[in-house]
Amino acid sequence: QVQLVQSGAEVKKPGASVKVSCKASGYTFTSYGISWVRQAPGQGLEWMGWISAYNGNTNYAQKLQGRVTMTTDTSTSTAYMELRSLRSDDTAVYYCARDYSGSNPTYWGQGTLVTVSS
Amino acid sequence: DIQMTQSPSSLSASVGDRVTITCRASQGISNYLAWFQQKPGKAPKSLIYAASSLQSGVPSKFSGSGSGTDFTLTISSLQPEDFATYYCQQYNSYPPTFGPGTKVDIK
Repeated sequence: QVQLVQSGAEVKKPGASVKVSCKASGYTFTSYGISWVRQAPGQGLEWMGWISAYNGNTNYAQKLQGRVTMTTDTSTSTAYMELRSLRSDDTAVYYCARDYSGSNPTYWGQGTLVTVSS
Repeated sequence: DIQMTQSPSSLSASVGDRVTITCRASQGISNYLAWFQQKPGKAPKSLIYAASSLQSGVPSKFSGSGSGTDFTLTISSLQPEDFATYYCQQYNSYPPTFGPGTKVDIK
């Protein structure tokens, strides 16, 4: 069965960076992409971007351009999302999800809480 | 960006009730609309794509309809496991955008 397992919770200081991992199993990793979606406490869902696991092409949300980098390691079927220059409003649960074309996430990881606090 | 709105923002219903949630897009999105269910502390779960197609394994009590700018999600007979927050999402154009959610709780 399709599974996406994310790395554990992180606490970071403002200005720091965080890198969240998402290990996929149960399907051919390079046949799909990975979308990243975040959810601030008590808030709705925000699409952050998408990466093709086939060729590494990316699409990022405009508001995160320059601060976010998404990568994949096909040897381990793992996707990564790095967010830099963290601010308090980056505090959120970050989700990865299998997504063929970057528009319709289907299978989701369990989420990773990133807390940004001084 | 395309703005998505949902109504109501919350509703209270009883087990066995038929529930309908509305989602509206700020411009036409054809049928490029998905619905997600999220329970507290859990990841979203994909229910419907292409406005009316059920994801594999999703029970037929869930149904979706609509095209253009107006869409609905219907739960035919609400069960205890259906109490959750429901989000719509358009994927007609980048960036994909979500509605603010509709919380369904127990009356």
